[in-house]
Amino acid sequence: QVQLVQSGAEVRKPGSSVKVSCKASGGTFSSYAVSWVRQAPGQGLEWMGGIIPISGTTSYAQRFQGRVTITTDESTSTAYMELNSLRSEDTAMYYCARRGPTGAFDLWGQGTMVTISS
Amino acid sequence: DIVMTQSPDSLAVSLGERATINCKSSQSVLSSSNNKNYFAWYQQKAGQPPKLLIYWASTRESGVPDRFSGSGSGTDFTLTISSLQAEDVAVYFCQQYYSTPFTFGPGTKVDIK
Repeated sequence: QVQLVQSGAEVRKPGSSVKVSCKASGGTFSSYAVSWVRQAPGQGLEWMGGIIPISGTTSYAQRFQGRVTITTDESTSTAYMELNSLRSEDTAMYYCARRGPTGAFDLWGQGTMVTISS
Repeated sequence: DIVMTQSPDSLAVSLGERATINCKSSQSVLSSSNNKNYFAWYQQKAGQPPKLLIYWASTRESGVPDRFSGSGSGTDFTLTISSLQAEDVAVYFCQQYYSTPFTFGPGTKVDIK
């Protein structure tokens, strides 16, 4: 049974960068796309972008374009999300999610809390 | 971008009673090529990641109790919990995965009356 296991909580200063990992434990991503979704405290869900690991093809939400980079390392079945030029509004829980065979997000990581504070 | 709206923002239902949540998309999410709605419902309990309940607008994910059902097509969708249980207290989100950016509704909080 594949699980998505994310890296631990991070605290960063404004203007810096953060890189969060998401490992497919007990399996691989296979041919399924991996997305990153964030959730600010008490707020809704926001899709940031995604990647198809087998091809490396990425797609980003316009509002994060130029500031986010999503990559994968197929040798370790790990996906990464790097966000640059951090600001206080980026304080949020960041989730990775697998886009399953139906296209819906059928598997989610446990979340990584990223706090931006000076 | 496809904008998703949900109603109500919150609702409180007695145990065993029906809960109904509505979601509208600003554009149709029905594919003409396969006649499927690229639409899903998720449940998020406090302190947990979202969990997929319904995909293709009306297909229950494996393991989801049959008291959860989804209906609708095109731009209007409904999630029904036929007999609310204590463990159903959560926030429910709708989502379109028809086109990027994949967008979510703002969520509906369901509580026990």
